[in-house]
Order: sequence, then structure tokens, then C-alpha cells
Amino acid sequence: EDQVTQSPEALRLQEGESSSLNCSYTVSGLRGLFWYRQDPGKGPEFLFTLYSAGEEKEKERLKATLTKKESFLHITAPKPEDSATYLCAVHPSGTYKYIFGTGTRLKVLA
Amino acid sequence: EAQVTQNPRYLITVTGKKLTVTCSQNMNHEYMSWYRQDPGLGLRQIYYSMNVEVTDKGDVPEGYKVSRKEKRNFPLILESPSPNQTSLYFCASSLSSGGHDEQYFGPGTRLTVT
Repeated sequence: EDQVTQSPEALRLQEGESSSLNCSYTVSGLRGLFWYRQDPGKGPEFLFTLYSAGEEKEKERLKATLTKKESFLHITAPKPEDSATYLCAVHPSGTYKYIFGTGTRLKVLA
Repeated sequence: EAQVTQNPRYLITVTGKKLTVTCSQNMNHEYMSWYRQDPGLGLRQIYYSMNVEVTDKGDVPEGYKVSRKEKRNFPLILESPSPNQTSLYFCASSLSSGGHDEQYFGPGTRLTVT
């Protein structure tokens, strides 16, 4: 069964304290892995797409990486405005579906 | 402005009273989808559509119907809502029919069924 697991469920960081969020996935084949950011009361907002193991993408303080079993979202020197829930999703090969993890709630303290 | 719109944003209804949540996108996207989001369960896909007149079930389709008569619109229909359908609902769209692109999400519809 296709599955996505994110850890930790919640993370509190001091401003400037770098860390990583994990997304482990089990799929028969991966068409794409997606990271989204969701602010309270709003729809998810797209951050990155990764398609193959070894691929990396960066945007400001965020960097996403992909292996054959998991993806990491690295946050370097976070700021309070980075506080949000970060969602990981996979698009398995041979399907038209998306499967989301339950997210990591990040709180960055000033 | 490129966007996905949903209406209504908030809805309180009673068990058994049919309702429709509308979703529209102005980006000429092929793929559209509906999700529900519940605490501890994350986003779960209800139905998706690869193109006009082509729809299929996601992981939690029971109690829901959809239709795709026009490319831009993808309404979600609850013919006989029940309290376990109380949730936050999101519509999303993506460019290609294969569904392997990033999705653009609407602002959400908070539904309460009493």
C-alpha cells in the first residue's frame, strides 16, 4: 500500500536554529514528490517538486532533497515567518492520485 | 489573477440536506481534485478529474459525488450529508491531465453537519 509518513509531528525552533523535516514514503514507483507549506486557515501552497533520487531544490532558506525512500526539507537559519505546517505528498507511478502525509507543524520562536 | 475559488467558505447544515460546494479555476488546468482535511489524518483525496467528463475515486469517496462538465468547474456534491462529513474541504488543480504537476489549492470550505 502506498504510504507517506512525516516526522516529527511538531517542531519548535529558535530563530536561526537550523533543522530538517523528514518525509518517508512507500510506493511501487514514484512519479513525483511534492512539498507544500500550509498556514492556518489557508490552502496549501506549493514549494518544491522532486522527481528522482539525488535531486535537490532550494528556495530562500529551504532546501529539499530526495532519496529512494525519503525526502528531507532542510530549513537553514529559520525566521518566525517560516512558522507553518509543511506537507509532503507523493504521486505514485501508474495512478492519477496524490497521497499526503499528515504534516509537520513548525514553530519558530523569535 | 490565477486562482482556484471555492464557495461557500463556511457552511453549517443538517443531516440529510443535500449541498453542493463549487470549485472553479481560471488557469485552464486539466486536472482537478477534491480533498478533505481532518486533524491527525491529513489531506485525503476524495475524487479527481483528469479532464472534462473524466473522473475517478480517490481514497475516501463514500458519500460524495462530483461532475466535470466544463474544464474550469468541478463541484463537490453531498447528497445526504452526515456528521462524519464535517471537515475542511479543499479543491485543487494542476496543469496536466497526468496529475504529476504541482497543485494549486483553493482557500478551503469549512463544513459542519449537525
